Amino acid sequence: QSVLTQPPSASGTPGQRVSISCSGSSSNIGSNYVYWYQQLPGSAPKLLVYRNTQRPSEVPARFSGSKSGTSASLAISGLRSEDEADYYCAAWDDSLSGYVFGTGTKVTVL
Amino acid sequence: EVQLVESGGALVQPGGSLRLSCAASGFTFNTYTMNWFRQAPGKGLEWVSLISSSSSAIHYADSVRGRFTVSRDNAKKSLYLQMNSLRAEDTAVYYCARDYGDPWGQGTLVTVSS
Repeated sequence: QSVLTQPPSASGTPGQRVSISCSGSSSNIGSNYVYWYQQLPGSAPKLLVYRNTQRPSEVPARFSGSKSGTSASLAISGLRSEDEADYYCAAWDDSLSGYVFGTGTKVTVL
Repeated sequence: EVQLVESGGALVQPGGSLRLSCAASGFTFNTYTMNWFRQAPGKGLEWVSLISSSSSAIHYADSVRGRFTVSRDNAKKSLYLQMNSLRAEDTAVYYCARDYGDPWGQGTLVTVSS
């Protein structure tokens, strides 16, 4: 079962800004880095954000991460059709001594 | 270019065993922690196991502890997952990943069914 909570879906029209929340606890998000992944249909997950706010060089600046307390968010600005995918948050959990994932959010571009 | 290529996935009967491999290239393998993740059909992502660069630290998810064993051969730049006493709920695509998932491999499918 997933330890981190995400909304099941989010949507927007091209060019809009979409935000995805990720809620955890003091043993995971509250004390460790948050990571975000994008999974396109039929593909392996791809790292979008690491260490709460950092983007790999190949990830567009339209994707941004933030963290406050035991919650985190991923924002996608200037939404594009190719952003239609599943998005997952993750963090190390000190109590479980393992990574925990969010439930996943399906983003639809209307 | 960093590359991770999994292999070894197959159809196996409940109670059976399987060994997955992950071949790494394009980076200094022996300096990175490696992870196994999995994704059951139509479900979300799940962490399976972590092994540190020198194998000094190893962790498992509760769902696989005692049945799965992670190992690595730094000389061969390879990561392994020995899976024993397989159950239907272990059916998933298994991914290896460098550190926290930068990057992930393409995955290998394990199906546990009679």
